[in-house]
Amino acid sequence: GAGVSQSPRYKVAKRGQDVALRCDPISGHVSLFWYQQALGQGPEFLTYFQNEAQLDKSGLPSDRFFAERPEGSVSTLKIQRTQQEDSAVYLCASSLYPDSGNTIYFGEGSWLTVV
Amino acid sequence: GDSVTQMEGPVTLSEEAFLTINCTYTATGYPSLFWYVQYPGEGLQLLLKATKADDKGSNKGFEATYRKETTSFHLEKGSVQVSDSAVYFCALSTGYSSASKIIFGSGTRLSIRP
Repeated sequence: GAGVSQSPRYKVAKRGQDVALRCDPISGHVSLFWYQQALGQGPEFLTYFQNEAQLDKSGLPSDRFFAERPEGSVSTLKIQRTQQEDSAVYLCASSLYPDSGNTIYFGEGSWLTVV
Repeated sequence: GDSVTQMEGPVTLSEEAFLTINCTYTATGYPSLFWYVQYPGEGLQLLLKATKADDKGSNKGFEATYRKETTSFHLEKGSVQVSDSAVYFCALSTGYSSASKIIFGSGTRLSIRP
């Protein structure tokens, strides 16, 4: 597609439920990022993939968070046993190459509310 | 660690006013600097960027100059419009061949009155 596509756009989960958030990056983009944006805050880095390799997962807040990109294109962020503090917008982004000057394109985000 | 500090909002201006949103950064090495904008109901979009000292990024009438000596990247526009109402994020990125994650400031909400 023309841009980064994320689904679902909105998800309401009961506390303790598992959720899976999907990201379709721009075709051919090597780098893929996941960010978490709490209300009124800037996005916080979660994890980074270069093709299928997860090179940096230093931002994942706990072992309940897991991300994968098995074929180097689509990525899934999974949150197990959701808690209220997981409520946030989860942003996926991609760029053509892993270079600091490269433009990174963001999706519109998946809004997660844990009740 | 690397970080970005930007002017707290909200900022409210009248149409055609001059805009400055301050941004300073702390980073090891030589970061690239960015301004991203988030319009209501839309995703983050790159507004402008600068990859080395003294570079000026510009787009849609907005400008920012990479000042290494003051570690700043202030966003300016000479005459704002109602359509500029959005949240603006200053950000930096370091790293070259390895992962170059972006670190964001907390955002500044801008509202323009007609």
